[in-house]
Amino acid sequence: AQSVAQPEDQVNVAEGNPLTVKCTYSVSGNPYLFWYVQYPNRGLQFLLKYITGDNLVKGSYGFEAEFNKSQTSFHLKKPSALVSDSALYFCAVRDPNYGGSQGNLIFGKGTKLSVKP
Amino acid sequence: DGGITQSPKYLFRKEGQNVTLSCEQNLNHDAMYWYRQDPGQGLRLIYYSQIVNDFQKGDIAEGYSVSREKKESFPLTVTSAQKNPTAFYLCASSAQGPGELFFGEGSRLTVL
Repeated sequence: AQSVAQPEDQVNVAEGNPLTVKCTYSVSGNPYLFWYVQYPNRGLQFLLKYITGDNLVKGSYGFEAEFNKSQTSFHLKKPSALVSDSALYFCAVRDPNYGGSQGNLIFGKGTKLSVKP
Repeated sequence: DGGITQSPKYLFRKEGQNVTLSCEQNLNHDAMYWYRQDPGQGLRLIYYSQIVNDFQKGDIAEGYSVSREKKESFPLTVTSAQKNPTAFYLCASSAQGPGELFFGEGSRLTVL
C-alpha cells in the first residue's frame, strides 16, 4: 500500500542553523514526491517536487530536498533556518498506479517546525 | 490573479443540517480534489474529479457528496450522515500530468 511517513511530529531549530525535516515513502512504482508548507488556518503552499532527473531538488524560500531511492527518502533541508520558517510541513507522494490518470496525492501527517531566535 | 477560491472561510452548522462548501478555480485545471484535515492526521482525500461530470470517492467519502457540472467548480456537501464533520476542508486542483496540486485557503466547519 502507498504510504508516507514523517517520523518527527516536531523539529526544533535555532535561527541560523541548518534544518532537516524527514520523509520516507512506500509506493509500488516510481514516485512523484512533493513538499508543502502550511501556516495556521491557511491552505498548503507548494515548496518543491521531484518527478525525475537530479536527486537534489531546489525549491522556494531556499528549501531543497534530496531524493534517495535506495533509502526511499525525500528529506527537506535548508542551510540556515529563519524564524519565519516556523510552520507545518507536509511530505506527499503521488503514485501513478493509485487513483486517477496520474495518481492521487498521499500525505504524511505533517511535521511542525519551530525556529527559535 | 489565477487561483482557487474557497468559501466560506468559517462555517457553523447545527447537527442534522447539510452544508455546502464552495470551491472555484480559474487555473483551467482538469482535476479537482477535496481533502479533510484533522490535527495530527494529515490530509485525507474525500472525493476527486478528473473531468467534468465525473468524480470518484476517495478514502473517506462516507457522509459527503460532490458534483462537477462545470470545469471551474467542485462543491462539497457535508451531509447529516457525516458523524464527525468538524474539520478543516481543503480544495485543490491540478493540471494533467504528475505535477503538484494547488490548494485553496480552506474552509473551517464547526458543528455546534
